[in-house]
Amino acid sequence: ETGVTQSPTHLIKTRGQQVTLRCSSQSGHNTVSWYQQALGQGPQFIFQYYREEENGRGNFPPRFSGLQFPNYSSELNVNALELDDSALYLCASSTTRVGYGYTFGSGTRLTVV
Amino acid sequence: EDQVTQSPEALRLQEGESSSLNCSYTVSGLRGLFWYRQDPGKGPEFLFTLYSAGEEKEKERLKATLTKKESFLHITAPKPEDSATYLCAVQANIDYGQNFVFGPGTRLSVLP
Repeated sequence: ETGVTQSPTHLIKTRGQQVTLRCSSQSGHNTVSWYQQALGQGPQFIFQYYREEENGRGNFPPRFSGLQFPNYSSELNVNALELDDSALYLCASSTTRVGYGYTFGSGTRLTVV
Repeated sequence: EDQVTQSPEALRLQEGESSSLNCSYTVSGLRGLFWYRQDPGKGPEFLFTLYSAGEEKEKERLKATLTKKESFLHITAPKPEDSATYLCAVQANIDYGQNFVFGPGTRLSVLP
């Protein structure tokens, strides 16, 4: 097992720019979820992908979008960055949609200035 | 709306001093309650899943319990390496694609 890897680990962007964050799921995992974690808070669910289709979405605007590829790697795209988008972005993968046994990556720390 | 609160917000213990963390939840049909540990700059690490009231799970110095409205994470004789943020999360039955609703966490510091 290689675990869940995310890249980059840190990123600084300017307000209004666009950003793409990447996630490589654990081997054999066909479900990936993305979370936003602001400093001092718990993670907030952005969306989930199952077999390349969006399978659930939290209260995030459409400028947050994603993709899951046939090899089950995933991307999170954020357009028109705002200062409040500064956070730790976490990717989690699983073999099912139910939630048991989710494995989280170490996250990407995004700072918007 | 599904909600999770955790208390206390922060807890400082001396090594060996046992205590409990609380997670209170409101959810429209509980599929599962999850406990995670998170170290600074890292992603959450899975600890336990509880599915029904009365269920208990143990792992080393940690024991998780579940009632219909809350869960407790009991820490017995903690060590400094237990210092971390402990997150509680619930998953509801209603939406099969819905994911976890996390609480804000309890920051635990265990002093030697």
